[in-house]
Amino acid sequence: DAGVIQSPRHEVTEMGQEVTLRCKPISGHDYLFWYRQTMMRGLELLIYFNNNVPIDDSGMPEDRFSAKMPNASFSTLKIQPSEPRDSAVYFCASRLTRARNNEQFFGPGTRLTVL
Amino acid sequence: ELKVEQNPLFLSMQEGKNYTIYCNYSTTSDRLYWYRQDPGKSLESLFVLLSNGAVKQEGRLMASLDTKARLSTLHITAAVHDLSATYFCAVAAYDQGAQKLVFGQGTRLTINP
Repeated sequence: DAGVIQSPRHEVTEMGQEVTLRCKPISGHDYLFWYRQTMMRGLELLIYFNNNVPIDDSGMPEDRFSAKMPNASFSTLKIQPSEPRDSAVYFCASRLTRARNNEQFFGPGTRLTVL
Repeated sequence: ELKVEQNPLFLSMQEGKNYTIYCNYSTTSDRLYWYRQDPGKSLESLFVLLSNGAVKQEGRLMASLDTKARLSTLHITAAVHDLSATYFCAVAAYDQGAQKLVFGQGTRLTINP
């Protein structure tokens, strides 16, 4: 299995631009999670989906952030407009409910820099 | 709301020494995870602890769980440089019937020759 796939791996953009981060979960996994990691705030859960349905988006910082999961193999996290304080590493993770451990598997992350 | 605290947050130690990282959490949970993160890399799963008294070992790392004390420990035996990384504990929390993880702040471990 290829694991969780994220793209792009690095993104540099200017303030005010729209940014779209992409995630392909492990095939067959029914949960998908978006996290943000910064030095100041650590690892924060932004939103998660179960069977493509958003369950909890209380971690999304503000209306500039939105996430979708149109099908079981693809999710996007969009920031519009982006701001310098959005600079962080964004991780996607997935898991399979039926697995005994309910373990989350993380993607390689997208390092976002907003100038 | 579930809170997870690790200590220490920074740990510098010499090769060959033993040390323990602590993970405390504020409300009842039935499972706890330990992850490792190397600089600039993703999180790698180390251990999953599913019950009170659970102990898992892999090489020089051993993790244990005390659900009554709401405490997990990650013990490092005879540390080697390759174990330098940031270690996170994560505790399962249940929300609308779904499970999510709440992460600790991480412990940055540096092992010096």
